This record gives sequence, C-alpha cells and structure tokens, in this order.
Amino acid sequence: GESVGLHLPTLSVQEGDNSIINCAYSNSASDYFIWYKQESGKGPQFIIDIRSNMDKRQGQRVTVLLNKTVKHLSLQIAATQPGDSAVYFCAERSGGSYIPTFGRGTSLIVHP
Amino acid sequence: GAVVSQHPSRVICKSGTSVKIECRSLDFQATTMFWYRQFPKKSLMLMATSNEGSKATYEQGVEKDKFLINHASLTLSTLTVTSAHPEDSSFYICSAAGTDHGYTFGSGTRLTVV
Repeated sequence: GESVGLHLPTLSVQEGDNSIINCAYSNSASDYFIWYKQESGKGPQFIIDIRSNMDKRQGQRVTVLLNKTVKHLSLQIAATQPGDSAVYFCAERSGGSYIPTFGRGTSLIVHP
Repeated sequence: GAVVSQHPSRVICKSGTSVKIECRSLDFQATTMFWYRQFPKKSLMLMATSNEGSKATYEQGVEKDKFLINHASLTLSTLTVTSAHPEDSSFYICSAAGTDHGYTFGSGTRLTVV
C-alpha cells in the first residue's frame, strides 16, 4: 500500500546549526501533513502542520516545506538546540480521515 | 491546548497476567480514541480505533481477544493486554480526537513482561 517514508534515519548536528529533516510520501491523495516530535519515553508531540494547498509554513524556529510535484516534505529547525534532540515523524492524512499515517522517523542528535 | 493523560507510564508484569492501560482526555470530549504500539526505534503502529459506546475496530493482524479495548465514556478508553507474554513488551501510546480538537497523543506506557 502507499506509505510515508523518511530518507535519513539519523541526523547529527552541532548546537546552533540549522537542521533539515526530509520525508517522502507516495500517496498522491494526501492533503494534510504533520510533523511530530517524540522524545525518549514520551508520546509524539505536534510541531507543525501544512495543508496541500500551501508549499511553506513557518512556526517558531521551525519551517515546513511541501513539494507536491515530487511528493516531498521537509522540516527545517533553525538554531538547533540540545532540547531538539528527539525522533521526528512526518505523517500524512488524506480523504478527510483524521487518522494519520506515520513515516519511519528520523532521530535528530544535537551535539553541544 | 488539548491534554491526553495516559496511565501508568511504566508497568512490569509477570507472564500470564493482564495489564490495563488508561487513556483520558482531560479537557475535551474524545469521540474517537486510538491505540498504537511502538517498537524500539520504529514508527507507530496503529492497533485499533475506538468510538465511545461502540466496539473497537482493530487493524489487520491485531488480536482483539488479546488486546481488549473499552471506550465507555467520552473521556476514557482502556487497553487491557490479556495473558501477557514477553513478546507483548512494548511502548503503547493512545491518542484522542474530538469534534473541536485535533489529534492529541498521550504520554505512552512502557510495558515490560517478565
């Protein structure tokens, strides 16, 4: 079946650098995308979302970019901090369903 | 924002016993609750979807007699792992959705069966 996947399982960065986490999706009917942050031993937390009628959305230190042509989603974290260390999941929804389909996840490690 | 409380956060049980995990929406009515299972360094696997007052809908491959789900009220759903075995050890996460609230996750429960 169609799925959401991630390019890189682990990303290591230095504190203060910008981080980019990528996600590829295959369901062309996906119309809503979400990024979640999951710290060790905790449930996922919503970070930012974007609808398919947009190609960019900014939050506090985070930006999500959507390229529907190549079915690619990215999460950019500016001035990465040690507290940003976590696993980041992209997820997609389609057809009005509010059950997200999760990608594999990328572990972000921020070195002080 | 919406808060979903999950309890206990950690539980260790003996093989053959049953364990109940609670998921509560604290400040909204959750018409639908979801239960996920997560293996180490893996993504979330949806186990079942439950609507208040009705039977849960289980995903393919999930044993409904093994993982009993009850959603008796708009703020509480429970997952009972029956006759637990070591292979049931995992991280279980609930999430809740309400009419005016999006999708919110609980804090997860680490189950260890010894």
